[in-house]
Amino acid sequence: DAGVTQSPTHLIKTRGQHVTLRCSPISGHKSVSWYQQVLGQGPQFIFQYYEKEERGRGNFPDRFSARQFPNYSSELNVNALLLGDSALYLCASSQGPRGTNEKLFFGSGTQLSVL
Amino acid sequence: EDQVTQSPEALRLQEGESSSLNCSYTVSGLRGLFWYRQDPGKGPEFLFTLYSAGEEKEKERLKATLTKKESFLHITAPKPEDSATYLCAVQAWETSGSRLTFGEGTQLTVNP
Repeated sequence: DAGVTQSPTHLIKTRGQHVTLRCSPISGHKSVSWYQQVLGQGPQFIFQYYEKEERGRGNFPDRFSARQFPNYSSELNVNALLLGDSALYLCASSQGPRGTNEKLFFGSGTQLSVL
Repeated sequence: EDQVTQSPEALRLQEGESSSLNCSYTVSGLRGLFWYRQDPGKGPEFLFTLYSAGEEKEKERLKATLTKKESFLHITAPKPEDSATYLCAVQAWETSGSRLTFGEGTQLTVNP
C-alpha cells in the first residue's frame, strides 16, 4: 500500500506569492493534518480535516488555509508568502478524528523556500 | 499551553554505548505521549505511544517509559543505523485527535 504522498517535494517562491501544497492520505484514512517544521525545530500543528470539515486549527495567521476533498486528499494554501514561511510542510493521515489509538502517518513533506 | 522539552539537543554515541533521551512535558490532561524518529529529508516515523504513568514499550533496541512529568527513550547497544532525530510529542484530551505538540528533538549520532 502507498503511504502518505505529498507534492511537490520542493518549491521555491518569492515573497508575496501564493502557494498550494497537496497531500494524498493512506487509503482508508479519512483524516488529514498539516504541520510546519522549521529547520532545527519540531513540527507545529496547522490544521486537521476530517470528512471535509475542519476539526482543529493551530496558531497560524489567516494567510494559511486548507481544504479536504471527497476522496480525502487535501490542499494547504498559503497567501502573501513571507520569508518566515520557509519550512518543511508535513501532511499526516490517520483513520479517524479522535481514535483512542490514533496514530499519525507522515509524508516526506514539501520543502518550501521563500526568497 | 502544552509544552515539551527534550534533552539533550544532540547526543553522540559509540556503537554499543547505551544511553537515554529525555522528554519533559506539561499538558492540561495527557491523552497520549508519542515518540517519533525522523531521518534527514523525511517525515517523522511513528515509534511508540504511551498513555499512563508507569507504562513501558519496547521495540528492538528502543524502550520508552512514562512518568507523570517526563518520558525516557532508552537506547540499548545502539547501531549506526539508529542515527536520526528523535521527536517527542504530547496530545491533550481537549484538543483535536491529530493535534500533537512536539519538542525540538534530540539529534542522535551513533559512530561505528
